[in-house]
Amino acid sequence: DTGVSQDPRHKITKRGQNVTFRCDPISEHNRLYWYRQTLGQGPEFLTYFQNEAQLEKSRLLSDRFSAERPKGSFSTLEIQRTEQGDSAMYLCASSLASNLDEQFFGPGTRLTVL
Amino acid sequence: QKEVEQNSGPLSVPEGAIASLNCTYSDRGSQSFFWYRQYSGKSPELIMFIYSNGDKEDGRFTAQLNKASQYVSLLIRDSQPSDSATYLCAVLSNTGNQFYFGTGTSLTVIP
Repeated sequence: DTGVSQDPRHKITKRGQNVTFRCDPISEHNRLYWYRQTLGQGPEFLTYFQNEAQLEKSRLLSDRFSAERPKGSFSTLEIQRTEQGDSAMYLCASSLASNLDEQFFGPGTRLTVL
Repeated sequence: QKEVEQNSGPLSVPEGAIASLNCTYSDRGSQSFFWYRQYSGKSPELIMFIYSNGDKEDGRFTAQLNKASQYVSLLIRDSQPSDSATYLCAVLSNTGNQFYFGTGTSLTVIP
């Protein structure tokens, strides 16, 4: 499978715990995006990387959220001290910087905070 | 004001009819516009993109863009039950750094 992959697909955690999600983009894609989607809403931009550089973060992104893409390949998104309001689908997408028209989404990680 | 606005629907059309989905955006500097389809429980998949005023056709789908009115639409001809999904309008920011998505319009095609 050469598409975008995400792991885990589902995560249930207790409030206050830390969670980490992983995204593996399409291999030649140098742009990687993280989004959050809640029921009835469209994906909400969180942050994006071009290669290993994190170039933009949403103003709405709490400091409990951090993302990395250390070698410009896979990326991780960590949420510290989870809250019930963090429950959502976390989507990763990738594209080429030279072809932003084609952004491909992974299957998402569904987070439930109890 | 949200960057991208869509009527959340639901929109119901009979099989074989034309479904018309609409979207407005706030950033007049935006240059690229996208339509994604999202089935329940799945991630969005790209249907079409458009960046020039006018119409762009791809099979049963036609995207229409009017930059003066800041309006994007998607027409689905000969609608099929398999077209039943949520359709998301997305706009690439004028910096080329962020995609803004609307809340989506839920479409049901009735057999």
